[in-house]
Amino acid sequence: QLQLQESGPGLVKPSETLSLTCTVSGGSISSSSYYWGWIRQPPGKGLEWIGSIYYSGSTYYNPSLKSRVTISVDTSKNQFSLKLSSVTAADTAVYYCARHNEVTVVTAGAFDYWGQGTLVTVSS
Amino acid sequence: DIQMTQSPSSLSASVGDRVTITCRASQSISSYLNWYQQKPGKAPKLLIYAASSLQSGVPSRFSGSGSGTDFTLTISSLQPEDFATYYCQQSYSTPRTFGQGTRLEIK
Repeated sequence: QLQLQESGPGLVKPSETLSLTCTVSGGSISSSSYYWGWIRQPPGKGLEWIGSIYYSGSTYYNPSLKSRVTISVDTSKNQFSLKLSSVTAADTAVYYCARHNEVTVVTAGAFDYWGQGTLVTVSS
Repeated sequence: DIQMTQSPSSLSASVGDRVTITCRASQSISSYLNWYQQKPGKAPKLLIYAASSLQSGVPSRFSGSGSGTDFTLTISSLQPEDFATYYCQQSYSTPRTFGQGTRLEIK
């Protein structure tokens, strides 16, 4: 059974960089046809897709965050990571990592496996 | 960005009721529409993908339909464990966007 687990600091100071890692177990991050993404959810609010990466390193990001986001992959460790720079209180959220299929008419690029989420608070 | 609008935003229903949640896209997204269920403190769970395909392990009382701009999620007979928040999500274009959510509460 595929499992994803987020890890990283739960508290980040304003203007600093948020860094999270997602460790994948029970399967290979190098599987073809799958992408690995980050989604966040501010307390009491809805879901926002941040960006995704393929095992080759190909990335695509939400344009609203693109200038501050870097997603990378380490296939040797079966991990992928998120860096979000210049954070403010508006970046306080539960951050989820998730797997999604390549977008086809059959799969519709659905997020089928999710981590449990990790709350990151931006505060001095 | 493609805007996804769900209605209603909240809904009260009873065990055994048939419930329908609607999701409308701001432009056509063909069938690139997925539905998720989220319970408090938990990650979202995939229910329906590609508008109408039931994810493995999801009870058959859940169904999805629609294409283009209008989609529905139907729960044929509500069970106690179905009270949660439901989100639609489009994968037609970047950025991937979600609806604002529909909170399903016990009447």
